[in-house]
Amino acid sequence: DTAVSQTPKYLVTQMGNDKSIKCEQNLGHDTMYWYKQDSKKFLKIMFSYNNKELIINETVPNRFSPKSPDKAHLNLHINSLELGDSAVYFCASSQDGTSGTTDTQYFGPGTRLTVL
Amino acid sequence: LAKTTQPISMDSYEGQEVNITCSHNNIATNDYITWYQQFPSQGPRFIIQGYKTKVTNEVASLFIPADRKSSTLSLPRVSLSDTAVYYCLVGDGQAAGNKLTFGGGTRVLVKP
Repeated sequence: DTAVSQTPKYLVTQMGNDKSIKCEQNLGHDTMYWYKQDSKKFLKIMFSYNNKELIINETVPNRFSPKSPDKAHLNLHINSLELGDSAVYFCASSQDGTSGTTDTQYFGPGTRLTVL
Repeated sequence: LAKTTQPISMDSYEGQEVNITCSHNNIATNDYITWYQQFPSQGPRFIIQGYKTKVTNEVASLFIPADRKSSTLSLPRVSLSDTAVYYCLVGDGQAAGNKLTFGGGTRVLVKP
């Protein structure tokens, strides 16, 4: 069974469109994350949710809006897509994420978004 | 957040030991050191984590000197399948949400 899954795996779209990426984890974790990995392979955190509550909101355009319907799902909706949004987006989850220790994050396979 | 510095790339041969050193001069008292591995077209995968001295698991060993300003990931007897990017991270243990900051990573190429 896949622990952290994302759909779609590839997404090609035109500038100005609105798109969503979905993420699900079956590990029973309390915290989920969205990361963006650019062409230089730098991985940057965007958002984090703990039990459906937003706890990390990095400086990203407000065109990006995460939604967590329950603690097993964290979706990412992107409005008015721009060329610079092209990247690989990774979802991750961890057991707690709010304690004073660094717990392991489990990553999904990634969604490669290409904006034309 | 403590910043990390690691070599951009390293080449090795099958059967050799690979050691990747990461520098984190501004590590805080509560910070843990964590290493992740990323294969092409996959998400990062946890390898090992430590706070001080030495940690060993079935995949790797992590050596951390007393001052904790650096750490070395050791991969014993690498194979071709160990070709990947290895990230050194220093976790801010005080921050809610366990915000990990990934650097550029070290691209390890294992040759036959």
